[in-house]
Amino acid sequence: KAGVTQTPRYLIKTRGQQVTLSCSPISGHRSVSWYQQTPGQGLQFLFEYFSETQRNKGNFPGRFSGRQFSNSRSEMNVSTLELGDSALYLCASSQMGPSNEKLFFGSGTQLSVL
Amino acid sequence: DAKTTQPNSMESNEEEPVHLPCNHSTISGTDYIHWYRQLPSQGPEYVIHGLTSNVNNRMASLAIAEDRKSSTLILHRATLRDAAVYYCILCYNQGGKLIFGQGTELSVKP
Repeated sequence: KAGVTQTPRYLIKTRGQQVTLSCSPISGHRSVSWYQQTPGQGLQFLFEYFSETQRNKGNFPGRFSGRQFSNSRSEMNVSTLELGDSALYLCASSQMGPSNEKLFFGSGTQLSVL
Repeated sequence: DAKTTQPNSMESNEEEPVHLPCNHSTISGTDYIHWYRQLPSQGPEYVIHGLTSNVNNRMASLAIAEDRKSSTLILHRATLRDAAVYYCILCYNQGGKLIFGQGTELSVKP
């Protein structure tokens, strides 16, 4: 079974641009959640999608958004990029959701904002 | 929001047990306790999770205090491959929002 796939692996953008990151979950998994990891703030929860619906959201500004498609693939978008958005963005999938299941993480997308 | 507190780093000798502590004094009754570990340039890897009772699996054991305000991840015999950053995480049962601790960097000496 293929693992969680995130594309692209690396991305360089400039301030003010927008970016879209992609996450393909493990086959059969309907829940996809997104996380931001920085040296200063550590790992922080962004949002979680299940069957195309956002079920929960972390404490991030509205510039961070996401969506999930009918095949469970998910994208997250960051608009009007700021220097502080430079981070490793991770997604994870599970069958029903994070609370009582193990999550399978991808290797992440490393975003650098110049 | 609830939060978790972990020591920044710990050191262990190979083939000895390791006890990684985590405080989560503001945990609510339905929050699950998860542990993941992360190697450099990789996404986190699941270790174990539980709600109230102690849990065992192939990788580790999770000991949860009776009042649930703290927990301990136990690696029974540390190997060099266990060197990683270990995260103690609270997962809200409602909606699955995860709250991460800052992580404990475990180093294992041969």
